[in-house]
Amino acid sequence: QVQLVQSGAEVRKPGASVKVSCKASGYTFTGYYIHWVRQAPGQGLEWMGWINPNTGDTDYAQRFQGRVTMTSDTSISTAYMELSRLRSDDTAVFYCARGPQYPPLDYWGQGTLVTVSS
Amino acid sequence: DIVMTQSPDSLAVSLGERATITCKSGRSVLYSSNNKNYLAWYQQKPGQPPKLLIYWASTRESGVPDRFSGSGSGTDFTLTISSLQAEDVAIYYCQQYYSTPPTFGQGTKVEIK
Repeated sequence: QVQLVQSGAEVRKPGASVKVSCKASGYTFTGYYIHWVRQAPGQGLEWMGWINPNTGDTDYAQRFQGRVTMTSDTSISTAYMELSRLRSDDTAVFYCARGPQYPPLDYWGQGTLVTVSS
Repeated sequence: DIVMTQSPDSLAVSLGERATITCKSGRSVLYSSNNKNYLAWYQQKPGQPPKLLIYWASTRESGVPDRFSGSGSGTDFTLTISSLQAEDVAIYYCQQYYSTPPTFGQGTKVEIK
C-alpha cells in the first residue's frame, strides 16, 4: 500500500533552518510528484511547491522562493523539504503529499510539526 | 493567485441530514479544451492529514462513500454529504489546480447538531 512517512517533530530558533524528510513506499517513487503543504496551528492549508523526483525539477510558491529547497534521493525513495531563515510564524505542520504535476493529492504523509521559538 | 472562498465557515447538521458546502473561485477553473473543472475537495479530521474526497469537481476518489458528492462548474462548486454520519465530523477544503499556485479555500467545519 502507498505510504508516505515523514520525519519527527523539530524545534528551531528563529533564523535557523529545518529539513523534513518524506519516505515513500508502495509505488514507483519516480512516477509521481511530491508536494509540500504547510498548515499553521488552527489554520488552513497552504501549498509550498513540488519536486519531480524523476528529473529533480521543482516549482515553489512565490512566497517561499529563496527560503525553500526541495530535493529527493531516488535511491531511498525519499523527498526532502528544507526551509531556511525560520521565523516564529513558520511554526506549522508540514505535510508531504503525492500527486501529478498539479493536484489532486491522493496520499499524504502524517505531517511534521516544526516549532520555531527562541 | 486564484482566491477560493468557501461558505459557510462552519455548520452543524443533525445525524442523517444533508450537509452542503459551497466553494467559489475567483476565476473559472474550467479548462475548455477538455471540459474539466480543476477542483478538488479534501476532508481533514482532527490530528490527521487531509484526505482526498473528490477531484475534477465531481469524481469520487476510490473508497470514498457515495454519500459524498461534488457538483458545479466554472466558478461555483458544491460538496454535499447526503446523510451526515458521526465520522464525517471534520474540516472540508476545496482546492483549485487550474493554475499555479494551487490554492485552497479557508475550510468549512462540519459538526453534529
